[in-house]
Amino acid sequence: RKEVEQDPGPFNVPEGATVAFNCTYSNSASQSFFWYRQDCRKEPKLLMSVYSSGNEDGRFTAQLNRASQYISLLIRDSKLSDSATYLCVVNYNFNKFYFGSGTKLNVKP
Amino acid sequence: NAGVTQTPKFQVLKTGQSMTLQCAQDMNHNSMYWYRQDPGMGLRLIYYSASEGTTDKGEVPNGYNVSRLNKREFSLRLESAAPSQTSVYFCASRIRTGGRSTEAFFGQGTRLTVV
Repeated sequence: RKEVEQDPGPFNVPEGATVAFNCTYSNSASQSFFWYRQDCRKEPKLLMSVYSSGNEDGRFTAQLNRASQYISLLIRDSKLSDSATYLCVVNYNFNKFYFGSGTKLNVKP
Repeated sequence: NAGVTQTPKFQVLKTGQSMTLQCAQDMNHNSMYWYRQDPGMGLRLIYYSASEGTTDKGEVPNGYNVSRLNKREFSLRLESAAPSQTSVYFCASRIRTGGRSTEAFFGQGTRLTVV
């Protein structure tokens, strides 16, 4: 069983749409959670950390559900520039940093 | 700021050849990592170095060796390349704090093809 599971997509949405991704993790001892963004043929870059109480950064909202072991990312008012692959990352024991295989988002004009 | 720098960016090897991928960071981070990324697999940890002088195996260490040369540099060596090692390799670094978990910063990647 994979440590982190994500729907690979692709999610094809029009500009202005709201889209949500979920990610499940298997280790209940996981301590920290992140969403990374990866553009085609580029390195992953941090989008946002995910806190227990949930957090928002502009159009992006991240939620954590420890009881069900999943995290989510909500993108409101999608822009063309949001087209990318979104990687869910789960961390425990500091150096155990597990990546999901990513969810591809295509935002269409 | 340079951040994390990897060399080379592209490489083609013949089966059985050896090579070393170089990584350097200028952010004074104590932890460094090597990942490989394959289609549909996400990033998988090959080796990591929690601090200068220490290295540990990750999920997929077979066929690789690493050296933490100093705090800045962490190299990955393929002693006898195999086609299964065709992948994109990313180096990353993080700073270890007392409490809060910190983000990892990535290099631009090395695209390796073994023929």
